[in-house]
Amino acid sequence: KNEVEQSPQNLTAQEGEFITINCSYSVGISALHWLQQHPGGGIVSLFMLSSGKKKHGRLIATINIQEKHSSLHITASHPRDSAVYICAVRTNFGNEKLTFGTGTRLTIIP
Amino acid sequence: NAGVTQTPKFQVLKTGQSMTLQCAQDMNHNSMYWYRQDPGMGLRLIYYSASEGTTDKGEVPNGYNVSRLNKREFSLRLESAAPSQTSVYFCASGPRGGRDTQYFGPGTRLTVL
Repeated sequence: KNEVEQSPQNLTAQEGEFITINCSYSVGISALHWLQQHPGGGIVSLFMLSSGKKKHGRLIATINIQEKHSSLHITASHPRDSAVYICAVRTNFGNEKLTFGTGTRLTIIP
Repeated sequence: NAGVTQTPKFQVLKTGQSMTLQCAQDMNHNSMYWYRQDPGMGLRLIYYSASEGTTDKGEVPNGYNVSRLNKREFSLRLESAAPSQTSVYFCASGPRGGRDTQYFGPGTRLTVL
C-alpha cells in the first residue's frame, strides 16, 4: 500500500462544476503539498499546509491531521484547470524528503 | 530570474552510454533534488542535496551519481544507461526542502534504447 493515496485517479467534469480531489496518507506528517502538473509537463506548487485550510483564487486546500486526509477543491472550474494534481507529504522523520501520490488527472470540458 | 533550468530537454541514449543531466537554480536555495517520473507512479526521489557540499540517496539511487557543484548547480550522471532508466527527470530546489515550497525545472525526457 502506498503511503500517499489519491482519489479519483481520473476526473472529467463540465466547466463551472465544483471539483474535489482527495489525498489520504498513512504516516505522520509535518507538511502536505499540492502541486499541479500542466499538460506540457511543467510542475508548479499550489499549496503547502500543515493544518486547517488555505485559499488561493478559486483553489481551496484543506487538511485534517487526525483523519490523515486532505482535499483540494476548485470552484467554478474552467478548461484551463485541466491538469494532473499531485499530493505530496513530508513525513515526521526529520529529513528533507517528500513522498508523492500518483496524481489525479482532471479534465474540464467546455 | 529563470528559476530552475535543466538541460537537455530531450535525450536518446543507447544502452551502456553515459550522460550528465544539468540543473541550475538562481533563487539562492539550499536544497536541490533529482526526481524521476514514470507512468502510473508518483515522482520518486533519486538523490537530494540539503546544502552545498552534501548529497544523500533517495528512494531510487541505483545507477545514478550526483554532484553539487556549488550552491546553484546540481548534476545527475548516468554512468551506464539502461532501458529501465527511460523516464522523465525533474530537478527541483527549495529553501529548506520539504518544509517549504519546491520549485521544479521543466524536465528532461530520456529514452534509453
